[in-house]
Formats: sequence, C-alpha cells, structure tokens
Amino acid sequence: GAGVSQSPRYKVAKRGQDVALRCDPISGHVSLFWYQQALGQGPEFLTYFQNEAQLDKSGLPSDRFFAERPEGSVSTLKIQRTQQEDSAVYLCASSRDRYEQYFGPGTRLTVT
Amino acid sequence: DQQVKQNSPSLSVQEGRISILNCDYTNSMFDYFLWYKKYPAEGPTFLISISSIKDKNEDGRFTVFLNKSAKHLSLHIVPSQPGDSAVYFCAAANAGGTSYGKLTFGQGTILTVHP
Repeated sequence: GAGVSQSPRYKVAKRGQDVALRCDPISGHVSLFWYQQALGQGPEFLTYFQNEAQLDKSGLPSDRFFAERPEGSVSTLKIQRTQQEDSAVYLCASSRDRYEQYFGPGTRLTVT
Repeated sequence: DQQVKQNSPSLSVQEGRISILNCDYTNSMFDYFLWYKKYPAEGPTFLISISSIKDKNEDGRFTVFLNKSAKHLSLHIVPSQPGDSAVYFCAAANAGGTSYGKLTFGQGTILTVHP
C-alpha cells in the first residue's frame, strides 16, 4: 500500500518567507508526528496529533512554527518568517500504534 | 542534553561478519527502545524494538540486546550484507508517560558493509 508522502521534497526559501510543508499519512493511521532533522543529527520531535487533535507541541522551537491536521488526515507544518537556523529536513511519520512509526521521505528546507 | 547517544559515528564491517551498533541512554524513564535504518533521501524505516521487560529480541538477522542497569542497548546484525549499509538510529520512548509515542533519537551510526 501507499506509504507516507511529503511535499515538496525540496524547498528553498529566502529568509523571512513563509513556507508550508505537507504530509499525507498512511490511510487509517490515527497518530501523526513531525520531526526536524538537522545535518548529521537524529530526528527531533516537534509535535504530535491524534486524529485532528494536537496533543503535544512541546518540540516546536518557536511561535513561528505552526502545525495543523484539520480533518484528521493530511497535516501541514507552517513556518513563518523563516530563519537560516530553520534549514533542516522535516520528517512526518504516522502510526497505528504508539511506537512503530512509518516515516515519509522528508522535505529538505534550505533558507538562504 | 543528549538523552540518547550513539557514540560511534561510523562502523565498517566485512560482508558475512557481525555488525554491532551501540546506544546509551540517560533517562531512566525510557522503557521502550527501537532501531531505525535510513537510506539516503529516504525516511527512517523501523527495524526492531524491545520493551524494558525483556533483555533480548530477535528478528531474523537482527537482534537487539538491552542492559537496563547499564542503560545500554545494542543491535547485532548477523551475517552483515552490503545492502545493510545505511545510517542506523537508536530511539527511545517513555511508554508509561503521556508522550504518546514521542521518540527521542540518537545521532545515528553510519554502517558500511564491504563485499
């Protein structure tokens, strides 16, 4: 079956621009996670949704980061007024149970 | 504060031999551990997991060992194959907490298996 998809795969933004990253989870997966992966590091948790409810946003680095999942399926991670330190790969994962998360290929964001 | 550490950035192994990847954690609340494999330009793929009530879990060529007193786990791959060449991430979770599956990852170890 189809896995987790993310778009765009690559995004170049000028500093100060707003960006929106999309995640299509595996159909039927209740849980959805966003992670940020800096170069040479492991993924770091950003936020978690259970259906449409955002139950944990403790990992969002600033109020410029906003995530939503209005219908409990597709999710969007929005970053306002991008900064150079936002450059990273943004990974989306979905899960039917708690821990075996299925990851998408990621969106590589480069802020210039 | 790195709660999950993979101290070896890279490991090189001959095909057919054993690969041993190590991981240490500091948070005693972690009670569920996973290994993920990542190829370039792809997302991490789940490999194997272990709960803290066990000290070993085996799945084909992959075995994970957990030493709770040492806060250490390892992944053994036997025999290693060239297709196993990838970045391996250790991850940990607090199953009893309210973090709903929030994973804390190590920095990763690049495994290269030579033919």
